[in-house]
Amino acid sequence: DVKVTQSSRYLVKRTGEKVFLECVQDMDHENMFWYRQDPGLGLRLIYFSYDVKMKEKGDIPEGYSVSREKKERFSLILESASTNQTSMYLCASISSTYEQFFGPGTRLTVL
Amino acid sequence: ILNVEQSPQSLHVQEGDSTNFTCSFPSSNFYALHWYRWETAKSPEALFVMTLNGDEKKKGRISATLNTKEGYSYLYIKGSQPEDSATYLCAFLKGNEKLTFGTGTRLTIIP
Repeated sequence: DVKVTQSSRYLVKRTGEKVFLECVQDMDHENMFWYRQDPGLGLRLIYFSYDVKMKEKGDIPEGYSVSREKKERFSLILESASTNQTSMYLCASISSTYEQFFGPGTRLTVL
Repeated sequence: ILNVEQSPQSLHVQEGDSTNFTCSFPSSNFYALHWYRWETAKSPEALFVMTLNGDEKKKGRISATLNTKEGYSYLYIKGSQPEDSATYLCAFLKGNEKLTFGTGTRLTIIP
């Protein structure tokens, strides 16, 4: 059974804290993605990675960075969390037939 | 940013009735069109990946059609059941392995 897992389902952080969201996939996929989902805005791409140590900005990268040290793991980093980063964060990886597999999501609240 | 639009935004359908909704996308540089079902508290789940103009895909009571020349896809649900309640997302792939998602159609089936 293919799987994408995320480190936390719910997270509450304070403004200014550094936040790490971890994502692991066990399908040996090369491409991995981080999205955020906000009401009325759909899924928006933050960053993606097509190989270890490679990263590309998505549509809304400001305030975020990423790390891909191993093929199976793709981390999203909020260097200094702000209240406008309160959102649902979804990680995904993509197969060779371009089907995306999503993790369960992390609902982050920044106070 | 590519424009992928879904309509309607939300829909209430009586159990047993059939329904359909629309995804429109840029007709140039088409590579693939994805449909996902996203149930509350779960990960988005891939329904269809469509690549050819005129493609029709079917999974149980759910089917989808694709018109790449005019840039639209329809998703049909026949004989709606309560378990069909979910948000249905479409996503457009332009060929650079980055999906652009629509904002979704939120479907509620009324028993």
